[in-house]
Amino acid sequence: GESVGLHLPTLSVQEGDNSIINCAYSNSASDYFIWYKQESGKGPQFIIDIRSNMDKRQGQRVTVLLNKTVKHLSLQIAATQPGDSAVYFCAESLNNFNKFYFGSGTKLNVKP
Amino acid sequence: NAGVTQTPKFQVLKTGQSMTLQCAQDMNHEYMSWYRQDPGMGLRLIHYSVGAGITDQGEVPNGYNVSRSTTEDFPLRLLSAAPSQTSVYFCASSYSGTGAGEQYFGPGTRLTVT
Repeated sequence: GESVGLHLPTLSVQEGDNSIINCAYSNSASDYFIWYKQESGKGPQFIIDIRSNMDKRQGQRVTVLLNKTVKHLSLQIAATQPGDSAVYFCAESLNNFNKFYFGSGTKLNVKP
Repeated sequence: NAGVTQTPKFQVLKTGQSMTLQCAQDMNHEYMSWYRQDPGMGLRLIHYSVGAGITDQGEVPNGYNVSRSTTEDFPLRLLSAAPSQTSVYFCASSYSGTGAGEQYFGPGTRLTVT
């Protein structure tokens, strides 16, 4: 699916550098957060999630940080690779884990 | 496993026509959902289901119907297509409850309504 819009925020990084993608979420009552990656022409792919009782969670080459005070979520990608080029979405959910609300996305462009 | 499959990949409808977008998964997931994605925007939840026989509305349900007669299938019906429904539609599935965030998405259906 086409996921790139005319006004999508873009982050350009050099291959091998670390990337930080930010997301401001809307509902202070949200208690579950997810990051997805969407490559051009494909459906989103789950990266990592975090519950509101945590501030930080690490995966393979990725770290998610949650700051509930300012309703901010970030995704850190270590040693960014060309294959990381995609649009990244954060999503939030509250209470029942049934409804997920997505942000508008950030395009990550990795320069070789 | 085929994962989540969607048909058709592309569809063009005239205003007022009806159609069904098909979605199937072979992972025995309880939770299934439908999203639409418009250019420059994130995904918006249309309808979801936490198991066979159980469906509920998401963020943008108007103009769409769903049913869930089996665990595997979750079709989305457009009763009377409108140009505002031009979008890319994604189906997803996951385990329910705290595992619901780890959704597996299908490849999408690109729908154009003229």
